[in-house]
Amino acid sequence: AQSVAQPEDQVNVAEGNPLTVKCTYSVSGNPYLFWYVQYPNRGLQFLLKYITGDNLVKGSYGFEAEFNKSQTSFHLKKPSALVSDSALYFCAVRDGRVDTGRRALTFGSGTRLQVQP
Amino acid sequence: EAGVTQFPSHSVIEKGQTVTLRCDPISGHDNLYWYRRVMGKEIKFLLHFVKESKQDESGMPNNRFLAERTGGTYSTLKVQPAELEDSGVYFCASSQVSRGDTQYFGPGTRLTVL
Repeated sequence: AQSVAQPEDQVNVAEGNPLTVKCTYSVSGNPYLFWYVQYPNRGLQFLLKYITGDNLVKGSYGFEAEFNKSQTSFHLKKPSALVSDSALYFCAVRDGRVDTGRRALTFGSGTRLQVQP
Repeated sequence: EAGVTQFPSHSVIEKGQTVTLRCDPISGHDNLYWYRRVMGKEIKFLLHFVKESKQDESGMPNNRFLAERTGGTYSTLKVQPAELEDSGVYFCASSQVSRGDTQYFGPGTRLTVL
């Protein structure tokens, strides 16, 4: 079984300050980890993913995430927040083992990011 | 390149009626997925097609839900008869293994069952 926890329902940050949105995961095989963002009245947009390699992954709009195997975490970060970053953020995981044939993503409950001007 | 499209964007039906949702994946994507988010909870997986075949339908809640992908292009998800607890947002996603297998999502269909 696989699961994702996003412990914060909402994160508030001032514009220009660094932001962190937390995510921890549980999966049987190698974790494939993803971050998606949902703006109001829009679908899920892909931000970044970790499959293998460098633990620091860079994605769209200046976002990055750090894979930490020992802490089973994949926190989303941005050095300087913008008001336009205000949205709902979802972390997701899937089992990277090829032999399972499963590609279903398991999502966290989402974290609403509010950036104040 | 056009993204994943879904139709309709919003549907309001009475309990017991039938609704059919449609998803057009990104051109060339063999993998197509259905997910839903009910009552603001987690986004839950429903099923996965590889071309026209159902690869994984472990998330389908019951036999009131029927998904098809004839010809391996667009997919439909029919709910018959609809119940109140089916209300939510239904997302479709597509991916291609040769392009990194990232799932790209459509805008979703908001289903309201009254």
